[in-house]
Amino acid sequence: DAKTTQPTSMDCAEGRAANLPCNHSTISGNEYVYWYRQIHSQGPQYIIHGLKNNETNEMASLIITEDRKSSTLILPHATLRDTAVYYCIVRAYSGGSNYKLTFGKGTLLTVNP
Amino acid sequence: EAGVAQSPRYKIIEKRQSVAFWCNPISGHATLYWYQQILGQGPKLLIQFQNNGVVDDSQLPKDRFSAERLKGVDSTLKIQPAKLEDSAVYLCASNYHSNQPQHFGDGTRLSIL
Repeated sequence: DAKTTQPTSMDCAEGRAANLPCNHSTISGNEYVYWYRQIHSQGPQYIIHGLKNNETNEMASLIITEDRKSSTLILPHATLRDTAVYYCIVRAYSGGSNYKLTFGKGTLLTVNP
Repeated sequence: EAGVAQSPRYKIIEKRQSVAFWCNPISGHATLYWYQQILGQGPKLLIQFQNNGVVDDSQLPKDRFSAERLKGVDSTLKIQPAKLEDSAVYLCASNYHSNQPQHFGDGTRLSIL
């Protein structure tokens, strides 16, 4: 499975953009990058995913480099409720028509007032 | 739509006792997952079901853990007998197909005394 590397922790000021980096240098051509976040005492929450092109939804934007070896999750206007652990995951093919997610330790994003 | 439901929310038992967790996935979701999340770590996949069949149980400690999804809807995960190292949050997730984003419940926090 392709491994990901994320900073252990980051801080961001409320109202500013939060840019969370992720390295996935061993990613294969058909593997997707997924981002989840986990707020304290809750289950992980899906944010966004992408293959090659940049993606945007109501929660965030995902920027994937042209060589696909790294990506950045952008929360355009961070709020205190965005304080959470953010996981960058390369979705792996596990045989048949099945895929699996392997979570690392993620990045603890703390949004400060 | 209703999310993934899990119960109980918390459970405290003594080592060597047995415990069971229940999960009701989102309606219509064919794939169901059980994860174990130890404090400070990301979730680790224990078992994946496609309808009522097991797709992947390679990381399930089969000497003490068992899981079933008899009618292809809700599922139970059992530990018998429990060890101190089983203290963790047990998360259930589901999706229509394993190539879709997973939706997580808020988990059951298990404490072993």
